[in-house]
Amino acid sequence: SAVISQKPSRDICQRGTSLTIQCQVDSQVTMMFWYRQQPGQSLTLIATANQGSEATYESGFVIDKFPISRPNLTFSTLTVSNMSPEDSSIYLCSVSFLLAGGTDTQYFGPGTRLTVL
Amino acid sequence: AQSVTQLGSHVSVSEGALVLLRCNYSSSVPPYLFWYVQYPNQGLQLLLKYTTGATLVKGINGFEAEFKKSETSFHLTKPSAHMSDAAEYFCAVSLEGGNKLTFGTGTQLKVEL
Repeated sequence: SAVISQKPSRDICQRGTSLTIQCQVDSQVTMMFWYRQQPGQSLTLIATANQGSEATYESGFVIDKFPISRPNLTFSTLTVSNMSPEDSSIYLCSVSFLLAGGTDTQYFGPGTRLTVL
Repeated sequence: AQSVTQLGSHVSVSEGALVLLRCNYSSSVPPYLFWYVQYPNQGLQLLLKYTTGATLVKGINGFEAEFKKSETSFHLTKPSAHMSDAAEYFCAVSLEGGNKLTFGTGTQLKVEL
């Protein structure tokens, strides 16, 4: 497994501003992902963070709204841009390791609780 | 595409009683199946997973789940509930091992004295 930390753990932001969330892992991982968990709902995959290249976004999510960086194998950031109250959610980073024959399990960070006023 | 259905958004059991949380999946190919638990104000923790092989999977904290292909189910059970089991439980499916998880809507488990 891996130890995953996220910063900030929570934030309250004003409409129209942007917030960058950091995800740090204590070991090199192959895959890093970003999920959103809206209030009272399940998790939805936003994108796969690719090292050194553009992230792969899921349907309904775009780079202009959720720019993602992954400069190395242990760190990624997700920015929530031009925020509105509908962006109030928990944002979770997850990682998995590539093993022979397929990938391993995904492990999740503690999440960032975002409230947009 | 795959999907997951969790029957019952809220389940309440007495302490010491059997816990049964239901999960059914839809997949065109044999899936990988997972159960995660989320305690209040925390991230997700893996309870157990099914990839291949034995269909009865044992996880942490006394939980287990059985993969039943004929019923497309992966129900989570625990023989005796404990107060500390109160949390939200998510079933998830993937066609790519640990990648691209699709989650169910979650089941909130309440354990009463």
